[in-house]
Amino acid sequence: EAGVVQSPRYKIIEKKQPVAFWCNPISGHNTLYWYRQNLGQGPELLIRYENEEAVDDSQLPKDRFSAERLKGVDSTLKIQPAELGDSAVYLCASSLLNTGELFFGEGSRLTVL
Amino acid sequence: KNQVEQSPQSLIILEGKNCTLQCNYTVSPFSNLRWYKQDTGRGPVSLTIMTFSENTKSNGRYTATLDADTKQSSLHITASQLSDSASYICVAPFYSGAGSYQLTFGKGTKLSVIP
Repeated sequence: EAGVVQSPRYKIIEKKQPVAFWCNPISGHNTLYWYRQNLGQGPELLIRYENEEAVDDSQLPKDRFSAERLKGVDSTLKIQPAELGDSAVYLCASSLLNTGELFFGEGSRLTVL
Repeated sequence: KNQVEQSPQSLIILEGKNCTLQCNYTVSPFSNLRWYKQDTGRGPVSLTIMTFSENTKSNGRYTATLDADTKQSSLHITASQLSDSASYICVAPFYSGAGSYQLTFGKGTKLSVIP
C-alpha cells in the first residue's frame, strides 16, 4: 500500500514568490496534518484536518499561508508571498484517527533565496 | 506548558555498541508516548507507541521504557548498526479539548554510528 505522498520533494524560489505543496494521504485516513520542521528542531503543527474540515489551524500564519483539503482526500499548502524565514521542510502526515499513529510523507524541502 | 525535552542533543557511538536516549515530558494529561526515527532528508517513521500501562516495549533492537511517575522515557538501541544513524524524536500527545489531541514533539537526538 502506498504511503503518504508529497510533492515536490525540493523547491527553490526567490523571496516574495508563491509556492505550493501537495499531499496525498494514505487511503482511508481521515486526519491530515501539515507540519513545518526547521533544521535541528522537531516538527511543528501548522494545520490539522478532520476529513475536509480544518479543526486546528491556530499555528498557521494566515497572512501568507493557506491550505485546503477539498473532498477530504489530498491537500495543498500554499505560501504567498514566501519569506526567507519560510525555508524549512514541510511535512505532511495522516492518521486513521486523531489519536492514532501518524504516518509521515518524505517532506518538501523549501529554500527561499 | 506541555513540553518534551530530549537528551543528549547529539551522540556518536561505534558500530556494535549500545546506547540510550532520554526523553522527559511534562505533557498533561498523558495518554501515550511515541518514538520516531527520522533519517536525514526523510520523514519520521514510528518506532514504538507506549500506552500509560506499559513500561517496556521492544521493536527489534530498539527497546523503549516508560516511567509515568517520573515522566521519563528512554530508547535503548542494542548492537548499533550504521543504518541506525538518524534523529530520534520523542512525541507525547496531550488532550486539547473537544475530543481532540495535539502532539508535542521533542527536538530529537541526532545519533551517528561510525565504523
